[in-house]
Amino acid sequence: GQSLEQPSEVTAVEGAIVQINCTYQTSGFYGLSWYQQHDGGAPTFLSYNALDGLEETGRFSSFLSRSDSYGYLLLQELQMKDSASYFCAVGRGSARQLTFGSGTQLTVLP
Amino acid sequence: DAGVTQSPTHLIKTRGQQVTLRCSPKSGHDTVSWYQQALGQGPQFIFQYYEEEERQRGNFPDRFSGHQFPNYSSELNVNALLLGDSALYLCASSFGRSNEKLFFGSGTQLSVL
Repeated sequence: GQSLEQPSEVTAVEGAIVQINCTYQTSGFYGLSWYQQHDGGAPTFLSYNALDGLEETGRFSSFLSRSDSYGYLLLQELQMKDSASYFCAVGRGSARQLTFGSGTQLTVLP
Repeated sequence: DAGVTQSPTHLIKTRGQQVTLRCSPKSGHDTVSWYQQALGQGPQFIFQYYEEEERQRGNFPDRFSGHQFPNYSSELNVNALLLGDSALYLCASSFGRSNEKLFFGSGTQLSVL
């Protein structure tokens, strides 16, 4: 089977930096993705890592270590609108379907 | 450019009934995946359709079935509804085998009473 672990809640203040960790156990691993979901909204793609290292997209960065089965999402210069749930997901299987973690609820305080 | 659209947005059914949910993928996408998201949980993969065939299936019973049409739109059917089927049903589209970046619709909130 497969499993992903990420913290259930993280709180930070505006302008700060926050890191959301994700560890996974899976077979047939293709890559690690991150999605953001606001309450009542659709999950939206943030980043994808297939290889070890850091991927940067604006204020968001994502890191992957395949040997450690570990990744993280780094959010810089936090804004109130970043308050949302963040999901890590591993791609696996012949259809590369995504298996999602349970999500991390990020609350950004003023 | 329309994104992924799903209908209806909300649905209330009773136990034992059947339901059909619909999804139109983002323009240019040919692959549709369905996910079930319970409150406070991450989406769970139901199945994926490509070239009008079910390509892969998650750990869901046969009560869950689907279809993909020649225009790439898709339906999810659930028979013999159970209370536990109450959830947000999300449709996601992508192109070909490239599932690294999925585009999700806003989902159908299904309540089974």
